[in-house]
Amino acid sequence: DTEVTQTPKHLVMGMTNKKSLKCEQHMGHRAMYWYKQKAKKPPELMFVYSYEKLSINESVPSRFSPECPNSSLLNLHLHALQPEDSALYLCASSQDRETAYGYTFGSGTRLTVV
Amino acid sequence: KNQVEQSPQSLIILEGKNCTLQCNYTVSPFSNLRWYKQDTGRGPVSLTIMTFSENTKSNGRYTATLDADTKQSSLHITASQLSDSASYICVVSARDNYGQNFVFGPGTRLSVLP
Repeated sequence: DTEVTQTPKHLVMGMTNKKSLKCEQHMGHRAMYWYKQKAKKPPELMFVYSYEKLSINESVPSRFSPECPNSSLLNLHLHALQPEDSALYLCASSQDRETAYGYTFGSGTRLTVV
Repeated sequence: KNQVEQSPQSLIILEGKNCTLQCNYTVSPFSNLRWYKQDTGRGPVSLTIMTFSENTKSNGRYTATLDADTKQSSLHITASQLSDSASYICVVSARDNYGQNFVFGPGTRLSVLP
């Protein structure tokens, strides 16, 4: 298995909703990443987990809450989002942060906030 | 400031033609340079990864070059196909005490027409 799987593929949520994005990999990777990508822009790093510990939080608003329950799973909990948070959310994983060997992106979740 | 620039911003070519995309970077300390292909609404897919000592690397019809002295890279696509229509993103990795940090270019949007 050489894939990073993200679910759901599409999500529409209201500004008062609570939802979660899920990312899973079974490559034995110990670093996992969340990115936000707006249309026609490159991905922007949000969070990095290394060995299930949060190692980078790029000043992301608290309405985004990451969670890494185990080495294969990464969640992004969403609460009280704004319409400008609508974007493609990408997950990635790599063998570790030091080498970034095997860096692989998931297919993304297209989020629309209404 | 670490920065990656790409040119052209967009490109339209006819099916079967060749094209070359450019990437210039000011990233230090340089670790490696990656080219990704990203279809609209999907996650980036790795095409090539090049380290400091590599000048050329091929992946099928894709050939990447790297000149570490001038800090330039190019991606050459041979005999283009309609499925090559996508954004091509140059990503340069800088290494700090904690690991690899990716600097994304803005991408080149390629359209291949029949």
